[in-house]
Amino acid sequence: NAGVMQNPRHLVRRRGQEARLRCSPVKGHSHVYWYRQLPEEGLKFMVYLQKENIIDESGMPKERFSAEFPKEGPSILRIQQVVRGDSAAYFCASSPSGADTIYFGEGSWLTVV
Amino acid sequence: GENVGLHLPTLSVQEGDNSIINCAYSNSASDYFIWYKQESGKGPQFIIDIRSNMDKRQGQRVTVLLNKTVKHLSLQIAATQPGDSAVYFCAENKAAGNKLTFGGGTRVLVKP
Repeated sequence: NAGVMQNPRHLVRRRGQEARLRCSPVKGHSHVYWYRQLPEEGLKFMVYLQKENIIDESGMPKERFSAEFPKEGPSILRIQQVVRGDSAAYFCASSPSGADTIYFGEGSWLTVV
Repeated sequence: GENVGLHLPTLSVQEGDNSIINCAYSNSASDYFIWYKQESGKGPQFIIDIRSNMDKRQGQRVTVLLNKTVKHLSLQIAATQPGDSAVYFCAENKAAGNKLTFGGGTRVLVKP
């Protein structure tokens, strides 16, 4: 997981607020992935992005969740109108292409109160 | 649906002994498998991977075995150390893209 930077590491939001999680991939990596992990569970795929494109968003909830990876800047996972069930660890990963091993960041822990 | 799962949720092992962590998968079309280690409060750390055209792959103190006949994957850790205490996940990667499917995890506790 060297080089994938996520922030904030910990975020507390009240129900109804918005959460924005940021991910800077390893330098030179143009593929970014977001995964969610509930306590004592494995990671669940959410979305796969390349620069300015969403490749696969089959794991994203249909409402309130969105992701982007602009030409410049970090990838953003945005959760609108958060609910308690959104409390989880959100991990970003990156790879240089779509067929390489992916490397994870240290995660962003979201707590909704 | 097809998934990747683990046999044992918790494994206690004496320091210095070998550890074996097992994983079953059900998708015979999977062509790439990865083991990750996750320490508390941290992200998954890549340990070792194996492609479906291989039966065995060795790394430093770790060996992954793939049995495609029974769709079984195992991770062997030699001379387990306290620093090996963590949750270990197997993950399955299909050919198209890096959409990993993770198993539920096995917690390894190393006793001094």
